[in-house]
Amino acid sequence: TAGITQAPTSQILAAGRSMTLRCTQDMRHNAMYWYRQDLGLGLRLIHYSNTAGTTGKGEVPDGYSVSRANTDDFPLTLASAVPSQTSVYFCASSDSLAASWDEQFFGPGTRLTVL
Amino acid sequence: AQTVTQSQPEMSVQEAETVTLSCTYDTSESNYYLFWYKQPPSRQMILVIRQEAYKQQNATENRFSVNFQKAAKSFSLKISDSQLGDTAMYFCAFMNTFTIQGAQKLVFGQGTRLTINP
Repeated sequence: TAGITQAPTSQILAAGRSMTLRCTQDMRHNAMYWYRQDLGLGLRLIHYSNTAGTTGKGEVPDGYSVSRANTDDFPLTLASAVPSQTSVYFCASSDSLAASWDEQFFGPGTRLTVL
Repeated sequence: AQTVTQSQPEMSVQEAETVTLSCTYDTSESNYYLFWYKQPPSRQMILVIRQEAYKQQNATENRFSVNFQKAAKSFSLKISDSQLGDTAMYFCAFMNTFTIQGAQKLVFGQGTRLTINP
């Protein structure tokens, strides 16, 4: 099984341009997440979604937007990129409707450089 | 808000040695989960071990074990008989108790880069 796929693998983007990072999961998980990883800061939650049609803000949501039109896809959009958004972006998913804790599975990440 | 602190940015040990990575956290919650994730050079995030706060017994997974001190809010990872394949970035993470239909939001520490030398 593919699990979670992210596209693109890496991207160089001019400041001021828009960009959508794609994330697709095939595990039918209800919950999905977007994190950014920065050296010395670990991973920080940007946005999350409990189920299709609902989204919520994480720790660092400014400059990012998400949508959850269906269970499988959770795209992250940068409307007008700035250099501080240079980072590695991880998408993750989990089955939070399980009776107990469920592991959060991560995609392979997208390395984004904003110049 | 919860915070997770890893005070060792980098560590290096010889193959077959035992190494302990430190993690402290801050929370007012009484029930929660703690995790250690491994990120090798491939960048993939891999769950190594987890601990439920209500369990007094320390979790163990083969060569990986934790020392969970709830009162001290400390959660260290011990790797025994270290192997070259253990070379990776290690992240400690905190999660509030699972909530029905709620997203399981992880709070990560800064990470510790571990190098196993031959």
